[in-house]
Amino acid sequence: ENVLTQSPGTLSLSPGDNATLSCRASQSVISSYLAWYQQSPGQAPRLLIFGTSNRATGIPDRFSGSGSGTDFTLTISRLEPEDFAVYYCQQYLTSPITFGLGTRLEIK
Amino acid sequence: EVHLAEAGGGLVQPGGSLRLSCAASGFTFSNYDMHWVRQVTGKGLEWVSAISTTGDTYYPDSVKGRFTVSRENAKSSLYLQMNSLRAGDTAVYFCVRDRGRGLYDYWGQGILVTVSS
Repeated sequence: ENVLTQSPGTLSLSPGDNATLSCRASQSVISSYLAWYQQSPGQAPRLLIFGTSNRATGIPDRFSGSGSGTDFTLTISRLEPEDFAVYYCQQYLTSPITFGLGTRLEIK
Repeated sequence: EVHLAEAGGGLVQPGGSLRLSCAASGFTFSNYDMHWVRQVTGKGLEWVSAISTTGDTYYPDSVKGRFTVSRENAKSSLYLQMNSLRAGDTAVYFCVRDRGRGLYDYWGQGILVTVSS
């Protein structure tokens, strides 16, 4: 299976800062089928980015994704209070579907 | 508006069985593959099962032979029959809609399953 490793485990920043989250795959992600989800406390995950760099409906352009092969990045510009949550990357298309263990973005 | 609502969770003893259901609304259920994903409290996400629009089913090795996913399109409902439950199956179970190729665009709120004596 394609193991996804996210770093850092926890990121402490302030509102207004920019955040850079990393996701590294143990095998190349086919056709960039890499997604990012945001999970706030007590909530279900929400789709942010699909196909490496495409924003889901309603996601502000402060969120952007990039990468290819085995290395992917989620960048969040000008952090808002509601952005402090846990972020998961996911590779899909290839079975089994796998997720990273998440990066917790916390207020510094 | 798309809505997914899980039911049927609770406390079950090791070796026991439980059946989860998911009621879908706001979209044409029969047109979408559907999945179950679980999350151990405070931990990451794990894909548990998938069922295609034609009824083909898929599982990871961790639950294969113990869990069975099914659907009833006339009722816009998804099910997960879980047998031979283990402590490691304790988690919140989410019903999710597959937008295509395993991309999840809508999630239910989740239902807690606790396996303990």
